[in-house]
Amino acid sequence: DAGVIQSPRHEVTEMGQEVTLRCKPISGHNSLFWYRQTMMRGLELLIYFNNNVPIDDSGMPEDRFSAKMPNASFSTLKIQPSEPRDSAVYFCASRQDGTGNTIYFGEGSWLTVV
Amino acid sequence: KQEVTQIPAALSVPEGENLVLNCSFTDSAIYNLQWFRQDPGKGLTSLLLIQSSQREQTSGRLNASLDKSSGRSTLYIAASQPGDSATYLCAVRGTDSWGKLQFGAGTQVVVTP
Repeated sequence: DAGVIQSPRHEVTEMGQEVTLRCKPISGHNSLFWYRQTMMRGLELLIYFNNNVPIDDSGMPEDRFSAKMPNASFSTLKIQPSEPRDSAVYFCASRQDGTGNTIYFGEGSWLTVV
Repeated sequence: KQEVTQIPAALSVPEGENLVLNCSFTDSAIYNLQWFRQDPGKGLTSLLLIQSSQREQTSGRLNASLDKSSGRSTLYIAASQPGDSATYLCAVRGTDSWGKLQFGAGTQVVVTP
C-alpha cells in the first residue's frame, strides 16, 4: 500500500487566499484524522471522521476552517480566508477501527501564509 | 482532560549509548499508548503500540514499558546509532468511544558519531 497520501506537500500563499489540502487515506481504513503541528502548540487534532462522517470537529480553530470527506478515499481541509497564523504543517492520518490498531500518518502539507 | 508530558525536550548522546525516553500521562484510563518517530520534514512513523493490559513491547533494539497505574511509559533504544536521531513522540489513546489520541510534545534526540 502507498500509505496516506497528501497534497500539496508545500504551499506558499498570500493572506486572504483560499487553501485546500487533500488527503487519500489507506484503502480499507475507516477512520481519518486531520492534525496541525506547530512549534508552539505541537500536534493538535483538528477533526476526526469515521465512515466518512465527521465525529469530532471540536479542534477546528474557527469558521475559516472546514473539512469534508465525500467518500472513503478522499478528504479535504479548506482554509478560507487564510491568515499568517495558519502557517503550520497539516497532517492527515488514517486507521482501521479497533483498539489495538495503529494510526498511519501522511508526510504532511507544509503551509506558509505570507 | 488527559495531559501527556515528555521529558527531556531534547537529548544528545554519543553513539553506542542506550537511550531512555520518558512519557507521563495524567489519566490512567487508557486503551493503549504508542511511540512514534518523526524525522525532519516527514510524518510520524509508529514504532511500538502497547495495549493497556500489557507491560511492555519489544521490536529489535526498541523496548517500551507501560506502568498504567503511575501514568508512565519509557522507551528504551539500545546501542544508539546516528540514524536514531529524530524526534520521538508518545501518544495516549483514551477510552472514549472513538479513541482520541493525545500527543506529547516530543523528545528531540541527537546521536553523535
